[in-house]
Parts: sequence; structure tokens; C-alpha cells
Amino acid sequence: QLVLTQSPSASASLGASVKLTCTLSSGHSSYAIAWHQQQPEKGPRYLMKLNSDGSHSKGDGIPDRFSGSSSGAERYLTISSLQSEDEADYYCQTWGTGIRGVFGGGTKLTVL
Amino acid sequence: QVQLVQSGAEVKKPGASVKVSCKASGYTFTSYGISWVRQAPGQGLEWMGWISAYNGNTNYAQKLQGRVTMTTDTSTSTAYMELRSLRSDDTAVYYCARAGYDILTGFYYFDYWGQGTLVTVSS
Repeated sequence: QLVLTQSPSASASLGASVKLTCTLSSGHSSYAIAWHQQQPEKGPRYLMKLNSDGSHSKGDGIPDRFSGSSSGAERYLTISSLQSEDEADYYCQTWGTGIRGVFGGGTKLTVL
Repeated sequence: QVQLVQSGAEVKKPGASVKVSCKASGYTFTSYGISWVRQAPGQGLEWMGWISAYNGNTNYAQKLQGRVTMTTDTSTSTAYMELRSLRSDDTAVYYCARAGYDILTGFYYFDYWGQGTLVTVSS
């Protein structure tokens, strides 16, 4: 069964960097994912799609501070030079066979 | 620029139906699919289903099979999501999202989102 696992919370200081993780379930380590950001009281915003080889392409207007990488079944979102507006929920998303969307549980990022 | 504009908030009684619209602009509507995603209060994102704007093919989340219908009107570039037999746990913000397709990986991803429509189910 295709499942995406995310830590419920993460925190980092203003101006620092943080790396969020999304783990694909066993047997699905080759899958691509997408990262989405949801700021408080707002709808989701697409950040990037990320392939198993670490190549990624970002959405319109996404700052260079956001980058993606991969290792095995893990997909990462790194945010550098953290700003207060980066405090948000971050969701990873993929697609299973039979046309089925799957979301991770989300990580709530706190900027200290 | 790509925009997805959804219809306004709805309040429904248990057992009723709701139909949410999502009007697309800024791209060729029939070149992409539309997925619907919902978010219950304080919860994460839940994928509800997908419709091809090209040919109307659909695929729904198993838990919603039989209660949800997704359609499109290509003449107005509008997608619709109807949910029937509403229950209190259907109270959520409903989002439409454009489903882009990556040919190399066979992967659909949601690259533009609507602003959301709050549906409240209450007696």
C-alpha cells in the first residue's frame, strides 16, 4: 500500500535552514512526489515536484530558498534563510496506480 | 496566469447534497485534469478524486464511491464536484486543483489550487 510518512512537527530559527522529510512506503522508493505549502488560514500552494534522482522543478514564483533532494525512499524539502512567512504546514503528495492521489499527514513548521 | 476560482461557502443539512464549482482560466482547460481535495477542520489534506477535462474520465477515492460525482463543462472551463447524502463529518474546506501530468514518471501533481469552499453540514 502506498503511504507517505511525515513527522508531525519541526522547528528552526529565523535565518537558519531546515530539512523536512517525506518517506515513501516499502516498494515505492522510485516514486516522484510533490511538495505543497499551506500557510495559516490559507489554501495550499504548490512548491515543487521531486523525482527519485533528486531532480526537481519548482512552481511559479517559488524562491530559490526552497530546494528538494532524494535518498532512497526519502524525499526532502530544504528551506534556507528561514523567514517568518515560512511558518506553515508542508504536505508531500504522490500518485498511485489506478489514478489515485495520496498525501502525507503534513509537517507543521514553526519558525522560532 | 492560471487561476481556479471556486464557488462560495455552503451550509447544508445532513442528508442533503452540495455542488461546488471551480472555474479555470489562463490555460487550455482540456489539456489537464482536475482533482478535488478536502480538509476537515484541523486535519490534513484528503484526496477525493480526479476528472480528465479532456474526456470526462473519473476516478474517485474508495471511501466516497457512490456519493461523489465530478463533472466538467468544457464550454465554460468549469469543473464541478457534487457530494450527496451529506454527514457531519463531510464538514470541510473543499479545494479544486489542476492536475499536471509528468510523462517521464507517470505522476500527477497538483500545480495550481483554488481558494477553497467551506461546506458546513449541520442540522
